[in-house]
Amino acid sequence: GAVVSQHPSRVICKSGTSVKIECRSLDFQATTMFWYRQFPKQSLMLMATSNEGSKATYEQGVEKDKFLINHASLTLSTLTVTSAHPEDSSFYICSARTLGTSYTDTQYFGPGTRLTVL
Amino acid sequence: QKEVEQNSGPLSVPEGAIASLNCTYSDRGSQSFFWYRQYSGKSPELIMFIYSNGDKEDGRFTAQLNKASQYVSLLIRDSQPSDSATYLCAAPRMDSSYKLIFGSGTRLLVRP
Repeated sequence: GAVVSQHPSRVICKSGTSVKIECRSLDFQATTMFWYRQFPKQSLMLMATSNEGSKATYEQGVEKDKFLINHASLTLSTLTVTSAHPEDSSFYICSARTLGTSYTDTQYFGPGTRLTVL
Repeated sequence: QKEVEQNSGPLSVPEGAIASLNCTYSDRGSQSFFWYRQYSGKSPELIMFIYSNGDKEDGRFTAQLNKASQYVSLLIRDSQPSDSATYLCAAPRMDSSYKLIFGSGTRLLVRP
C-alpha cells in the first residue's frame, strides 16, 4: 500500500520551455501532496505544499509563478516548471501524505523526476 | 541551529556488523520521527517511524528515541552491502506539524 507514482521519470528540455510533472497516489487518497527539489549531494528541500481543491502554499524563496502547482483531485497533483532554465535542472520529488493520527501521518515519496534543462 | 542534524559520514561498517545512525533535533515539542533510506539517484523510501520513547523494531531495523536527550537513532543489524545508501532522518516542522524537515543524511557504506 501507499504507492506514489511520478511521471515522467526523466526529461530533457530546451531553455525557455515548460515541463509538467505528474504525481499520483495509486492506492490511497491524498488530500495533501508535497513537492521537493534535491540538488546533487544535498538534502530534500520542500518547495510547496499542494492541497486538493485549494491553492498551493509555497516555501520562502520559491517562485509561485515559475512553479505552478495544481491539485485537481485526491490522487493527482501536477508541477509545471515554466520557462525552465539550466539552473532549474534538479531532481524533483513528490510525496503524498497518508492520514492517521497526528503521530502517524507519514509521507510516501514518488520515484522522482530528473529534469535537465539545456 | 538546524532543526534536524545528522553526521554526513560516510559511516563504513563491515558486512554483518551493526550500523548505528544518529540524529539530533532541536524542537522539544516534536512527537514523531521518520527514517528514510535513499539510494543514489533514487527517491527516499520510508523505513520506519517512531513516536514513543524507547525502541521500535522492524526486522533488522531498530529505531530508538530519547526525547529527554533529543536524539533518535537507527540501528541496522547484520548489515548487508545492499544497505549502502544515505539515511535521512525527518521530524515535523515547528511551524507545521504535517510538514517534515529532513536532515542532510548519513551515507552508509557496508563493506563486503
